[in-house]
Amino acid sequence: ILNVEQSPQSLHVQEGDSTNFTCSFPSSNFYALHWYRWETAKSPEALFVMTLNGDEKKKGRISATLNTKEGYSYLYIKGSQPEDSATYLCAFENTGFQKLVFGTGTRLLVSP
Amino acid sequence: SQTIHQWPATLVQPVGSPLSLECTVEGTSNPNLYWYRQAAGRGLQLLFYSVGIGQISSEVPQNLSASRPQDRQFILSSKKLLLSDSGFYLCAWSQHLSSYNEQFFGPGTRLTVL
Repeated sequence: ILNVEQSPQSLHVQEGDSTNFTCSFPSSNFYALHWYRWETAKSPEALFVMTLNGDEKKKGRISATLNTKEGYSYLYIKGSQPEDSATYLCAFENTGFQKLVFGTGTRLLVSP
Repeated sequence: SQTIHQWPATLVQPVGSPLSLECTVEGTSNPNLYWYRQAAGRGLQLLFYSVGIGQISSEVPQNLSASRPQDRQFILSSKKLLLSDSGFYLCAWSQHLSSYNEQFFGPGTRLTVL
């Protein structure tokens, strides 16, 4: 059974704070690591697909890094805004499979 | 562009009643299709996936079943619902034979079993 863990489970920050969360995944048979943002009352939306060790991707104020050798990825949000409030999910993609294994998510609340 | 539809959006059903949730995808052909459930306080759990018409893989033993009668239609069913079937059900699709399994999600169905 593949285990994908995310921490912290939830986070409450003030507007303007920078924050980061962690996704841990198996370091063997790695193929890709996906990050999704899931806002309340909406569908999960893809943020990044990360594939190479040392990858760093950025979209606006959100960025992510990847370490496949030790099995972790960090998601950073710089200068959090209330609209960043959402659950952030990571998902591990194993070689040879047509499916993703999701973590339990980090719920972020940004207060104005 | 591709779109994915799910219905109903919300459903309240008594224990022991049947269930049918439907998911359809537009704007693509031969997609991979997925059913997920998020139970209260838990992550997204993959229930079923399909790589083609009539091809269903089950991830967890349970009283749910899935069918794919048409290329872009995926149905989640149960003959008798249990209280533990309550949760939020998401359908997703991905490109068949794409480099990476980036999945696109529907709006979801909130199921409450009483």
